[in-house]
Amino acid sequence: DVKVTQSSRYLVKRTGEKVFLECVQDMDHENMFWYRQDPGLGLRLIYFSYDVKMKEKGDIPEGYSVSREKKERFSLILESASTNQTSMYLCASSSVNPDTQYFGPGTRLTVL
Amino acid sequence: AQSVTQPDIHITVSEGASLELRCNYSYGATPYLFWYVQSPGQGLQLLLKYFSGDTLVQGIKGFEAEFKRSQSSFNLRKPSVHWSDAAEYFCAVGVRGSQGNLIFGKGTKLSVKP
Repeated sequence: DVKVTQSSRYLVKRTGEKVFLECVQDMDHENMFWYRQDPGLGLRLIYFSYDVKMKEKGDIPEGYSVSREKKERFSLILESASTNQTSMYLCASSSVNPDTQYFGPGTRLTVL
Repeated sequence: AQSVTQPDIHITVSEGASLELRCNYSYGATPYLFWYVQSPGQGLQLLLKYFSGDTLVQGIKGFEAEFKRSQSSFNLRKPSVHWSDAAEYFCAVGVRGSQGNLIFGKGTKLSVKP
């Protein structure tokens, strides 16, 4: 079974802090994705990566950056957290294009 | 632009009753279609997918979905709902040449009455 893990299930940070969310997949997938999920808005794509060191902006990249130094790991970075970034963050991975995306359990981030 | 519409935000059914969740998409060619389920506080789990071939697709947990090209729909069905099916359901469209991106609907929350 494909496994996608996220570094934290719950995270509480203060406004202005730098926040790192990490995602690791164990299936040698080329593609990795970061979404945020908010009630009534569904899933919105923040960034995705189709190869090591490659990244593409999604629909809502403002305020976020990403890093993919190794194939199995994809990090989402909030350079200076703000309260409007309080949300559920979901990581996913997939192999060929397009194909099933496999999701991690999510990180619920609260920014105070 | 491609889009996915799930017209029902919230549906309540009685345990044992049948279920149909609607999904309509907008896309110029034959899409790849997915249904995911999300239990509270969890990530998304794939229920089923359609890429080609038989338009009636069977999935896990007794779910099925039918692709209807003429109606641009991919509705999810289950003949008899169980209390454990209470969750949020997302329909998604995969676009060829998009580097694996999926476009998600906003979801339908299913509540099950005992």
